[in-house]
Amino acid sequence: EDQVTQSPEALRLQEGESSSLNCSYTVSGLRGLFWYRQDPGKGPEFLFTLYSAGEEKEKERLKATLTKKESFLHITAPKPEDSATYLCAVLNDYKLSFGAGTTVTVRA
Amino acid sequence: DTEVTQTPKHLVMGMTNKKSLKCEQHMGHRAMYWYKQKAKKPPELMFVYSYEKLSINESVPSRFSPECPNSSLLNLHLHALQPEDSALYLCASSQEAGIDTQYFGPGTRLTVL
Repeated sequence: EDQVTQSPEALRLQEGESSSLNCSYTVSGLRGLFWYRQDPGKGPEFLFTLYSAGEEKEKERLKATLTKKESFLHITAPKPEDSATYLCAVLNDYKLSFGAGTTVTVRA
Repeated sequence: DTEVTQTPKHLVMGMTNKKSLKCEQHMGHRAMYWYKQKAKKPPELMFVYSYEKLSINESVPSRFSPECPNSSLLNLHLHALQPEDSALYLCASSQEAGIDTQYFGPGTRLTVL
């Protein structure tokens, strides 16, 4: 069975303090690894798709990387508006299997 | 444009009521999904529609009945729900089922009294 584990569960950062979120996965046939951002009470907002080890994607202060067993989401110089829950998910066949998420709080 | 819309935003219903949730996308996607998300948990897949046909039912109770009237619309009919069915219901769509990025709507917050 597919497993996706995210760490840490929660991350409190000072504005400008860079950090990384981890997503480790076990899947029989990876068709893609996805990062989403979710604000309270709202639907997940798509950030990145990664397909193969060594791939990297960037968007503003966020950068996602992928290895054969894990993915990292790097947040560079975060701002308070980056506060959210970040969800990692793997696609195997039709199904997206999500990790439990990392809740990031950025203090001004 | 990667917009998926859902109505209503909030719904309160009694256990004997019948209600429907609606989802719409105009991206030409041929796969649409329903997910259920409980508080502080990740989304869980309920149903997958591919080319307007139900392809996956993740052992969802029959009090939830999905319908795909056309390639842009997805409904979820609700009947005789239980209080534990209270959750955020999310619709998503992708170009094709099983291979593409899924884009989510804002969700419907459902409360069952």
